Amino acid sequence: AQSVTQPDIHITVSEGASLELRCNYSYGATPYLFWYVQSPGQGLQLLLKYFSGDTLVQGIKGFEAEFKRSQSSFNLRKPSVHWSDAAEYFCAVAPNNNDMRFGAGTRLTVKP
Amino acid sequence: ETGVTQSPTHLIKTRGQQVTLRCSSQSGHNTVSWYQQALGQGPQFIFQYYREEENGRGNFPPRFSGLQFPNYSSELNVNALELDDSALYLCASTLTGELFFGEGSRLTVL
Repeated sequence: AQSVTQPDIHITVSEGASLELRCNYSYGATPYLFWYVQSPGQGLQLLLKYFSGDTLVQGIKGFEAEFKRSQSSFNLRKPSVHWSDAAEYFCAVAPNNNDMRFGAGTRLTVKP
Repeated sequence: ETGVTQSPTHLIKTRGQQVTLRCSSQSGHNTVSWYQQALGQGPQFIFQYYREEENGRGNFPPRFSGLQFPNYSSELNVNALELDDSALYLCASTLTGELFFGEGSRLTVL
C-alpha cells in the first residue's frame, strides 16, 4: 500500500540558514511526488512536483526537491530560509494525481 | 488565489446531525476531490468525482457522500455526525493533474 513518511514533526531553523525536510515513500512503482505548503488557516499550495525525468525539481519560492529512487526519498530543500517560510509542509504521493496520500506534515519554525 | 472556494468556512454541529459542505471549482475543472484533515495530521483522501460520477474513494464509510454538478460545484455530505468527524475538510479541483485546493471548511462536532 502507498504510504508517506515525514520523520520530522517539527523543525526550527534560523532565518538565512539552509533547510532540508525529509520525505520517504512506500509504493510499488515510482509514483507522482509532490510537496505542498499550508499556512495557518489556509488551504494547501503546491510547491513542486515530480512526474518523471530530471530528478532535481525546482519549485516556487526558491524551493527544490530531489527524487532518489534508491532511497525512496523526495526531500525538500531551500538554501536560505525566510521568516515567511514558517508553515506546515506536506509531502504527497499519487498515481496519476488520484487518491493522493499525504504525510503527516512537518511544521517549520523560523527564528529571527 | 486558487480559484477554488468553499463554504461555510466554519460550522458547529452536534453528534447525529447531518452536514453539507460546498465547493466551487475553477471553471472547466472536471475533477474534484475531497479530503479530511484532522488536527495535526495530513489530509486524508475521502473521494473524487469526475464528470459527476464518483471516481475513487478512500477509507471512509458510506455516511460520507458527495455530488458534483455540471457547473463545476460539488458537495460533501456527512450523515450521523460523530465526534471524530471534527476536522478541516478540503476540496481540490483539477483539469490537467495539478490539484488546486480551497481554504477548507472547519467542522466541529460537539
